[in-house]
Amino acid sequence: DAKTTQPPSMDCAEGRAANLPCNHSTISGNEYVYWYRQIHSQGPQYIIHGLKNNETNEMASLIITEDRKSSTLILPHATLRDTAVYYCIVQRMEYGNKLVFGAGTILRVKS
Amino acid sequence: NAGVTQTPKFQVLKTGQSMTLQCAQDMNHEYMSWYRQDPGMGLRLIHYSVGAGITDQGEVPNGYNVSRSTTEDFPLRLLSAAPSQTSVYFCASSSDYLTDTQYFGPGTRLTVL
Repeated sequence: DAKTTQPPSMDCAEGRAANLPCNHSTISGNEYVYWYRQIHSQGPQYIIHGLKNNETNEMASLIITEDRKSSTLILPHATLRDTAVYYCIVQRMEYGNKLVFGAGTILRVKS
Repeated sequence: NAGVTQTPKFQVLKTGQSMTLQCAQDMNHEYMSWYRQDPGMGLRLIHYSVGAGITDQGEVPNGYNVSRSTTEDFPLRLLSAAPSQTSVYFCASSSDYLTDTQYFGPGTRLTVL
């Protein structure tokens, strides 16, 4: 199973773009990259996912490198409410939906 | 839709007691899962279900039982609570195990004394 590596913490100024990196060098061809976040004490919240192409939705953009060994989650205009733990997850292609959460990146958005 | 609901929100048990954590979803999702989260750590999968009548073990299943008699409900049972089971428990559901997103409940905070 592909594993992910994320920095333990990052700071970002309010209103600026937050760029959260993730390495997944052992990802296989049919595995998706998912991003979730967890705001203090709440259940995780889905942000975005992708396979090969870059993706954008109302919350964020996901940039996946051409070799798929790394990706970057971009929050274009971070707010204080974006302070959370961000998890980069590679979805196992197995029977059953089993997200494997690592330690994630603590993003602190500061005013 | 209420989404994924969990009860109770908080629970304190004594060692050896049993209890059931309730999880329900109203989105007609086939796939449901239980995770636990210990302080400062990521979520770990306990059990999951791919449909009514079908369950399987996750990474940390010991000490927990599950059943799935309906699509909507996926209760988690602790038969004999231990202090090591003190944690926050999250239930999640999704409609497609390959590409769909998971929706998480608000969590149950369990303390075992």
